[in-house]
Amino acid sequence: RKEVEQDPGPFNVPEGATVAFNCTYSNSASQSFFWYRQDCRKEPKLLMSVYSSGNEDGRFTAQLNRASQYISLLIRDSKLSDSATYLCVVNEAGRRALTFGSGTRLQVQP
Amino acid sequence: EAQVTQNPRYLITVTGKKLTVTCSQNMNHEYMSWYRQDPGLGLRQIYYSMNVEVTDKGDVPEGYKVSRKEKRNFPLILESPSPNQTSLYFCASSLNSPNTGELFFGEGSRLTVL
Repeated sequence: RKEVEQDPGPFNVPEGATVAFNCTYSNSASQSFFWYRQDCRKEPKLLMSVYSSGNEDGRFTAQLNRASQYISLLIRDSKLSDSATYLCVVNEAGRRALTFGSGTRLQVQP
Repeated sequence: EAQVTQNPRYLITVTGKKLTVTCSQNMNHEYMSWYRQDPGLGLRQIYYSMNVEVTDKGDVPEGYKVSRKEKRNFPLILESPSPNQTSLYFCASSLNSPNTGELFFGEGSRLTVL
């Protein structure tokens, strides 16, 4: 079983739609959680950290459910420029490494 | 401009021919790491370094070596490349441990081993 699992997609949505991605992690001792964004053939870049109380950054909302061990990312009012692969990233207690999910691909269409 | 620089960006080589992928960061970061990215497998860590002369294995270290003689540089060495090392490689750095801070990636090095 993968440590961090994501639906690979692709999610094809029209501009203006609201789309949500989920990610599950296997290690209950995981401490830090992030969403990274990766454009095609580019390097990953931090989109946002995920805090226990949930957090919002403009059109993006991230939530953490420790009891069920999943993380979510909600994108409101999708833009064409949101088209990318979204990587769920988890840090496990005691490890000096981040564990990356395989990513969920989003394609926003005009 | 703050950045992580990798070279070469693209390389085609043959089995057994030693190669080095360089990585340099100009942000005075203590933590540096190498990842490989393969379809369906995501990013997997090869090696990391917490500081100069301090390196440790990641999840997939077999067939790779690293060194950290200076804070800014963290080269990845393939002593005898094999076709299963064909992949997209990323170098990354962060100020301290990556759990608390942002991880900055280089643009990637696409390696093909024939």
